[in-house]
Amino acid sequence: EVHLLESGGGLVQPGGSLRLSCAASGFTFSDHGVNWVRQAPGKGLEWVSGIGGDSGYITYYADSVKGRFTISRDNSKNTLYLQMSSLRAEDTAVYYCARDIDWLSFDSWGQGTVVTVSS
Amino acid sequence: QSVLTQPPSASGTPGQRVTISCSGSNSNIGSKHVSWYQQFPGTAPKLLIYRVDRRPSGVPDRFSGSKSGTSASLAISGLQSEDEADYYCAAWDDGLNGGVFGGGTQLTVL
Repeated sequence: EVHLLESGGGLVQPGGSLRLSCAASGFTFSDHGVNWVRQAPGKGLEWVSGIGGDSGYITYYADSVKGRFTISRDNSKNTLYLQMSSLRAEDTAVYYCARDIDWLSFDSWGQGTVVTVSS
Repeated sequence: QSVLTQPPSASGTPGQRVTISCSGSNSNIGSKHVSWYQQFPGTAPKLLIYRVDRRPSGVPDRFSGSKSGTSASLAISGLQSEDEADYYCAAWDDGLNGGVFGGGTQLTVL
C-alpha cells in the first residue's frame, strides 16, 4: 500500500526557514514524480512545487514560492523535501506531499503537515 | 483569483445528476489533461478523474469527466448524501510552467 508521511511543520517567524520532509513507502519511489500542494486555512488547494522521477529530477515551482522554496528528493531514503526560506504570513497552510501518475494527477497524498508563519 | 474558474457552490437532490464546470485557457485546459479531486473537511484530497475522463480504481462510475475546448466538466450521477464535499479541477499550465487548481466548488446534497 502506498503511504506518504509528512513531517517538519511548525510555528516559524516571518523571514524564517523550515524544512519539510515526506517519507514514502509501498512503491518504487524513484519511478514517480512527487509534488507539494498546500491549503491555507479555509482556502482552496494551491500547487507549490514538483520534482520529476528518475529522469533528471527536473523541478518546477509556483511563482508564489519561486526563489524562496527548494524541492529535492533522496531516492536512497525514499524521501521528498521542501526547504522553505524567507517565509511569509501567506505561506501559512497545511502542506501535503503527493505522488503523481500524470501531470497534476496525484493519486496518493500524505495526511499533511501544518506550517504557521507568525510572530 | 484562480487561473481555473469554478462555481463556488453547487447543489442537487439525491439521485439527481449534477455537473461542475471548470473554465481555463489555451495554456492549460485547452492543451493539457484535466484532473478532478474530491475533498472532505480536514482530510487530504482524493483523485477522482485524471486525463480528462479516466477514473482511478475504486472510484465509482457515477463520476465522469469531459472536456471541450478550454472548459472541463465533472458530472456526478445518482447523487448521494456522501458526495457532499469540495471538488477541485487541476491542470498543468504551459504559460506558467506550473500546476494550477480551480478555486473549488462546494457541493451540497439537499
